[in-house]
Amino acid sequence: RKEVEQDPGPFNVPEGATVAFNCTYSNSASQSFFWYRQDCRKEPKLLMSVYSSGNEDGRFTAQLNRASQYISLLIRDSKLSDSATYLCVGTHSTLTFGKGTMLLVSP
Amino acid sequence: DAGITQSPRYKITETGRQVTLMCHQTWSHSYMFWYRQDLGHGLRLIYYSAAADITDKGEVPDGYVVSRSKTENFPLTLESATRSQTSVYFCASSEPVLNEQFFGPGTRLTVL
Repeated sequence: RKEVEQDPGPFNVPEGATVAFNCTYSNSASQSFFWYRQDCRKEPKLLMSVYSSGNEDGRFTAQLNRASQYISLLIRDSKLSDSATYLCVGTHSTLTFGKGTMLLVSP
Repeated sequence: DAGITQSPRYKITETGRQVTLMCHQTWSHSYMFWYRQDLGHGLRLIYYSAAADITDKGEVPDGYVVSRSKTENFPLTLESATRSQTSVYFCASSEPVLNEQFFGPGTRLTVL
């Protein structure tokens, strides 16, 4: 079983929509979690870290549920520029990346 | 400029040839990583290094060799390239190991 699993999508949403991604992790000892964004043919870049108390950065909100071993990413008021692949990341001895969820925002 | 760079950005080679992909970072991060990314597999860790002269295997190390004689450089060598090693290779660095990783722009390798 992959340590970090996420729905590959694609999620097709119109501009202005709210969209949520979930990601499950298998290692209950994981300490740190992140969401990365990857544009087509580019390198992954950190979108936000995920804290136990949840955290918000503008239109983006990340939540961690340790009891159910999942993390989530909520994007409000989607923009065309949000179209990308979003990678969920947990930790074991190093970072473990999920395969990514593709988001397509249309006009 | 500070950051992490990879070279070459694109490489075409033939089966059986030796290929070295270069990675250089200017942050003095202790940890450096090599990943390959393929459709359907996501990012898979090949090797990582905790410091100069300390390297460790990741998920898919077979067919690859790494070295780290200087903190800032972490070259990845394919000793005898195979078609299955056609991929996009990303180098990354972090400090410490479970912190945010910063990625280089990637090398697109095609093995014919």
